[in-house]
Amino acid sequence: QKEVEQNSGPLSVPEGAIASLNCTYSDRGSQSFFWYRQYSGKSPELIMSIYSNGDKEDGRFTAQLNKASQYVSLLIRDSQPSDSATYLCAVGLPGGFKTIFGAGTRLFVKA
Amino acid sequence: EAGVAQSPRYKIIEKRQSVAFWCNPISGHATLYWYQQILGQGPKLLIQFQNNGVVDDSQLPKDRFSAERLKGVDSTLKIQPAKLEDSAVYLCASRPGQGEWQYFGPGTRLTVT
Repeated sequence: QKEVEQNSGPLSVPEGAIASLNCTYSDRGSQSFFWYRQYSGKSPELIMSIYSNGDKEDGRFTAQLNKASQYVSLLIRDSQPSDSATYLCAVGLPGGFKTIFGAGTRLFVKA
Repeated sequence: EAGVAQSPRYKIIEKRQSVAFWCNPISGHATLYWYQQILGQGPKLLIQFQNNGVVDDSQLPKDRFSAERLKGVDSTLKIQPAKLEDSAVYLCASRPGQGEWQYFGPGTRLTVT
């Protein structure tokens, strides 16, 4: 059973702080990794994708991947109340077509 | 570029009734997915199409759920008969190529009473 695990939260951080979201996955052959943001009552939207070990930065967002530890994380710098949402970690399995989603971490950014 | 379209957006039915959902993916996207998302959980894959062929339907409850993708474009997902536990949001997503991310439609919120 392929699994993607996330801390369900909620994670609460003050405005302006760094929010750190973590995800582990079970299939060592996984090749692609994604973070989606989902606002309440809305569908998921892509924030970041990462395919190789290391860090990838895009504005206030940084994705980190460590394939040896089967661990992927998302850092949100200068957190804003508008960042309050559920963050879904998604892992692409070998073969490139099937993606497994974690249950999501709820983030609250307090003004 | 138009996004993934889904209809209806909301549906309320009684248990044992049938319901159908429609999805139109982004033009040119060969891969289409149907997910079920129960409140508080992540999306769960029901079925995946590559063009008009089924790639993965291992988690589709085939005694009551069916899906088709005619001509490799639009897709319909049907539930017959519905159960209370089918209450969820049904998300359609499409993807342009292997290994790339998915684009989600707005979803259909189904309530079974």
